[in-house]
Amino acid sequence: QKEVEQNSGPLSVPEGAIASLNCTYSDRGSQSFFWYRQYSGKSPELIMFIYSNGDKEDGRFTAQLNKASQYVSLLIRDSQPSDSATYLCAVNMGDDYKLSFGAGTTVTVRA
Amino acid sequence: DTGVSQNPRHKITKRGQNVTFRCDPISEHNRLYWYRQTLGQGPEFLTYFQNEAQLEKSRLLSDRFSAERPKGSFSTLEIQRTEQGDSAMYLCASSTGQGPYGNTIYFGEGSWLTVV
Repeated sequence: QKEVEQNSGPLSVPEGAIASLNCTYSDRGSQSFFWYRQYSGKSPELIMFIYSNGDKEDGRFTAQLNKASQYVSLLIRDSQPSDSATYLCAVNMGDDYKLSFGAGTTVTVRA
Repeated sequence: DTGVSQNPRHKITKRGQNVTFRCDPISEHNRLYWYRQTLGQGPEFLTYFQNEAQLEKSRLLSDRFSAERPKGSFSTLEIQRTEQGDSAMYLCASSTGQGPYGNTIYFGEGSWLTVV
């Protein structure tokens, strides 16, 4: 079982719609959770992090964490063509410093 | 304040040659990380420094790989006797290592390695 799992996609949504991305993780002791956006050929860019159960909103992005279900999600509201990218879920697996990444979900926003 | 800086950005080398990548972290970030990413995969942890001390090396980091951070500032990643399987993007990242968000890491632009 992979430590961090994401649906690979591609996830295709029309412009203005909500894109919903899911991520599950294996280590119940994980404490911190991150979403990165990666454009093709570029390096990952931090979008959000979440530490506590519940929702965290930042602009058009909302991260949701459910530690009991070992599940973290990212919602992108009012999706724009510029949101077309691969979204990486990353989890601190209990070590003090290192993150484990999922393989990413590719999102395509149709104009 | 500049972000994490990596160079060279692209390197093409022949199999068997040695290559070295350099990383300059965000200033005042104590922690520096090296990750590797291949096509269609997420970044994989390679190694990590707290100041000048290398605290962990992944099993992915064979004996041909060595990383240093001699003065606790910039870091180098050297790959000796490169193999085609080493072709990847090598990502450097840094974090403050302090406070409740000290584990939030910020990546550099990456160094692409192609071994031919």
